[in-house]
Amino acid sequence: GAVVSQHPSRVICKSGTSVKIECRSLDFQATTMFWYRQFPKQSLMLMATSNEGSKATYEQGVEKDKFLINHASLTLSTLTVTSAHPEDSSFYICSARNFRRSADTQYFGPGTRLTVL
Amino acid sequence: AQTVTQSQPEMSVQEAETVTLSCTYDTSENNYYLFWYKQPPSRQMILVIRQEAYKQQNATENRFSVNFQKAAKSFSLKISDSQLGDTAMYFCAFMKTSGTYKYIFGTGTRLKVLA
Repeated sequence: GAVVSQHPSRVICKSGTSVKIECRSLDFQATTMFWYRQFPKQSLMLMATSNEGSKATYEQGVEKDKFLINHASLTLSTLTVTSAHPEDSSFYICSARNFRRSADTQYFGPGTRLTVL
Repeated sequence: AQTVTQSQPEMSVQEAETVTLSCTYDTSENNYYLFWYKQPPSRQMILVIRQEAYKQQNATENRFSVNFQKAAKSFSLKISDSQLGDTAMYFCAFMKTSGTYKYIFGTGTRLKVLA
């Protein structure tokens, strides 16, 4: 149980275009979802926290107008990278948490590799 | 603010041997959780073990166990009978029990198990 999927797993786009990444909790309802960014050989950097039905809370230094997060349902959150540039190329990981299931544990998706040309 | 430190960027261990990965943290909170996550080459984050700070007993999961020293703010992971499949990045994470429930990750330790 506690499976989280991400789609797509890899995406290549041209500079200036927007890219949407989906994160789904497949067998539980995610009251909270988190979005991370990971550069090669580095740790996970939290970008934002989203609670279902409310606006995301962004970490300091993360541009909310560039990284749009929508958590419209208890099983789906989306991250849209708007007007992507090569410096946005990275590995993006989502995680999901259900307070009633396990208050402390986050379950992670397999990640999405974004390459901006 | 909480911080998590993993002082060993890379480690190696012979297959079937035991290895210990270190993690220290800094917090003024009394109640919190600590975790070890594994990230193999596939990059899927996998929960290895978790510890609740109010529990004095060290958590164990099969070949994985922790040495939790609350006063010293230390949370090391011991892997016994190391297997080739244990080769991965290992991240220590801290989460306080109030507020946003977000994780604070350490910088990671790259573990290589040698045949």
